[in-house]
Parts: sequence; C-alpha cells; structure tokens
Amino acid sequence: SAVISQKPSRDICQRGTSLTIQCQVDSQVTMMFWYRQQPGQSLTLIATANQGSEATYESGFVIDKFPISRPNLTFSTLTVSNMSPEDSSIYLCSAVPDTGELFFGEGSRLTVL
Amino acid sequence: LAKTTQPISMDSYEGQEVNITCSHNNIATNDYITWYQQFPSQGPRFIIQGYKTKVTNEVASLFIPADRKSSTLSLPRVSLSDTAVYYCLVGENQGGKLIFGQGTELSVKP
Repeated sequence: SAVISQKPSRDICQRGTSLTIQCQVDSQVTMMFWYRQQPGQSLTLIATANQGSEATYESGFVIDKFPISRPNLTFSTLTVSNMSPEDSSIYLCSAVPDTGELFFGEGSRLTVL
Repeated sequence: LAKTTQPISMDSYEGQEVNITCSHNNIATNDYITWYQQFPSQGPRFIIQGYKTKVTNEVASLFIPADRKSSTLSLPRVSLSDTAVYYCLVGENQGGKLIFGQGTELSVKP
C-alpha cells in the first residue's frame, strides 16, 4: 500500500493568483497522477507526473496552466496558475506502488473567488 | 482506454446484497478491471481488481464473464456505511493510467 499526503487540504484563493499543491508518498513509486474532481462530478485525469521528465498532459490540460514537478520518486507538485472561479475543484494526487493498485491522497479543495 | 458504463445510482437496504454491473465492451487484452469506492470529501479507495472469472476479498466479490465485456461488483450484506460512489475502471495493471467514468452512487437505507 501507499500513504499519500497532500498539502494544503483546502484553500481559498483570489482570482489571478497561483497555488501549488504538494503531494508526498511514503514510498518510492514510479507512476504518479494528478486528477481534478469538480463538485458532484467524477474524477478527470489532468496529467501523468513523470520522474525526470516533463509531465504528460491529457486533452484539455496544458502545462502553462497546470505546471507539474516530479523531482524524485516520492514527491510531486501541481500548480494551478492564474486561477479563475472555474478552477474551483478538488485536486487529487495518486500513485501506483509496486502492488499495482492506484492509491489516492485525500485531495486539496480549492475555492477561487 | 476502454470506456465504462455503469448505472448512475442504486438504492438498497441494510443487510441486502448489492450487485453493480459495469459494461466495458472495448476492453483490451492487457486491461484489468478495478473498482474504487469514494466517500464524500475523501479520495477514492481501492476495493478489488480482477482480470477474469471471479475474485473475492474481505470486502467484495468481482465477477467477470469469459468475454470480459462486463463485470459485476458484489457487496454482501451492505450497511449504511457502504453508502458511497463506486467506480469501475479498466486499464493496464502495474502503473497504467486509469480513466474514471461517471460512477454509481449507492444509497443504503435502514
């Protein structure tokens, strides 16, 4: 299994600002992913965070808006840039340890005013 | 990645067995079927995973027919605490990315 910690758990931000969400895994993992979950909706995959290379983004998501870092095998960050109210959502970090199952953090609830 | 289709919602009563069926007609040979449970304000939690036939753990059973175009998650004797959204996903095991469908909102009543 894997324990995934996210910070902040929630935040209220002003329009036009940026926020960086941190994700820490308690073991080394090869694959890490970032998802977004809007109120009452399912999860949408934003990108795959690749260690040592640029993240791989899904359709509709771009690096300028959601830059991702993956400096090592236990840590990743997602930045939501130039935020607007439409970015209000829960952002979830996930990772796949050796067992092959996808584990999730508790999410970071972001409200943009 | 194979798309999945599930009922949007289901109702049940405490003590009943609940079966949630998921369709995945375009499942690939390398794909596994995985089910997740999500409570409000929490991240999804792994329930069970299988490739074919039947898998059982302490929480649920997963039934997969020979053609693998569908699967059924079976929750025995549900309780109020099983009220949650259940997601069926298909994808490669060991690190393949998983795409979430709409999920099934299960409501267990007393």
